Amino acid sequence: GAVVSQHPSWVICKSGTSVKIECRSLDFQATTMFWYRQFPKQSLMLMATSNEGSKATYEQGVEKDKFLINHASLTLSTLTVTSAHPEDSSFYICSASLGTNEKLFFGSGTQLSVL
Amino acid sequence: DAKTTQPPSMDCAEGRAANLPCNHSTISGNEYVYWYRQIHSQGPQYIIHGLKNNETNEMASLIITEDRKSSTLILPHATLRDTAVYYCTGMDSSYKLIFGSGTRLLVRP
Repeated sequence: GAVVSQHPSWVICKSGTSVKIECRSLDFQATTMFWYRQFPKQSLMLMATSNEGSKATYEQGVEKDKFLINHASLTLSTLTVTSAHPEDSSFYICSASLGTNEKLFFGSGTQLSVL
Repeated sequence: DAKTTQPPSMDCAEGRAANLPCNHSTISGNEYVYWYRQIHSQGPQYIIHGLKNNETNEMASLIITEDRKSSTLILPHATLRDTAVYYCTGMDSSYKLIFGSGTRLLVRP
């Protein structure tokens, strides 16, 4: 099946710094990618839809200035957590599909710990 | 858009079939039912999906009721590595996958 690569797998940063997470579709082009976050023992929560060549669409309650999304190519979307705080510590997961209404393939996730 | 309901946890013995139910009574006529699973600290893994007919692949079988209001994921011979959280979900009208709370399946030795 299609492969989605996410990097880094884990990151520890100081409060106030920014962290960038990359999501790549390795063997297919993805015009749309999705970013989720997951807190311990909870389900995945959709944060935003990343659209190649246009602005991302954020879910209600997700701060667009806090979580910057860039989808500059058909194989790469990035999520930048700006001015990270301890409450931003979470498991961030990206996904991509082969097309509209097609199944999603997920990255392996990034565990962010903000000290 | 489908809102799904699943039991919070289940268990089964290794080697036996695991049958995971899901209610999706609000699913629309052209909305597929998707099943994913998540092993601790990993991204979700696609298992199977279907629309009306029952489906089978190398991982599992999916049984969808005729009225499409519920479905059952069947792992025919569960192994310890099948211990995971299983999510039944559907795509909303914007083609986004919205996850419910899932079922935590424990396969016992």
